[in-house]
Amino acid sequence: DAGVIQSPRHEVTEMGQEVTLRCKPISGHDYLFWYRQTMMRGLELLIYFNNNVPIDDSGMPEDRFSAKMPNASFSTLKIQPSEPRDSAVYFCASSLGGRPGPGYTFGSGTRLTVV
Amino acid sequence: SQKIEQNSEALNIQEGKTATLTCNYTNYSPAYLQWYRQDPGRGPVFLLLIRENEKEKRKERLKVTFDTTLKQSLFHITASQPADSATYLCARSFYNQGGKLIFGQGTELSVKP
Repeated sequence: DAGVIQSPRHEVTEMGQEVTLRCKPISGHDYLFWYRQTMMRGLELLIYFNNNVPIDDSGMPEDRFSAKMPNASFSTLKIQPSEPRDSAVYFCASSLGGRPGPGYTFGSGTRLTVV
Repeated sequence: SQKIEQNSEALNIQEGKTATLTCNYTNYSPAYLQWYRQDPGRGPVFLLLIRENEKEKRKERLKVTFDTTLKQSLFHITASQPADSATYLCARSFYNQGGKLIFGQGTELSVKP
């Protein structure tokens, strides 16, 4: 398996533009997580899905952020409109089962820069 | 709120020594504590998990302990090597929160030859 695949690896956009980050989880994993990492706040959980259904989105900063999981093999995180304070590394992770026995597998992340 | 705290100061040790990293949590005991390694520009990689009813877990040169009285987990790397240099993250989850995993800030470890 190729692991969790995220695209793009890097994204530079202007303030006010829409940004879409993509994630392909490991096949067969039923949980998918979106995290954001910054120096100041560390790794923050934004939202997670179970069997394509959003379970907890309490970490989503504001209405400018939205996430979807239309099927078991694809998820998107959208920011519209983007702001400079959204600059961070965004990670997607997946796992099998809600109990973290084998741990979570993370993608390589998308480094977002909003100028 | 439930917090996970790790020493934000970098840990510098000599090759061959044992590195010990600390993870403290507040309020209720988490059901599980997990430890991850993160290298620059990469995502975290799972290392070990310990359950609240377990005192100790080992994997090769790695050892994790869980002390519910002190509300603390210790992560040890024995016979450390320069290749062990990375940031190590502690994370907690609870039985009643499904797959939700909350991370500490991480501790940067540097092993000098």
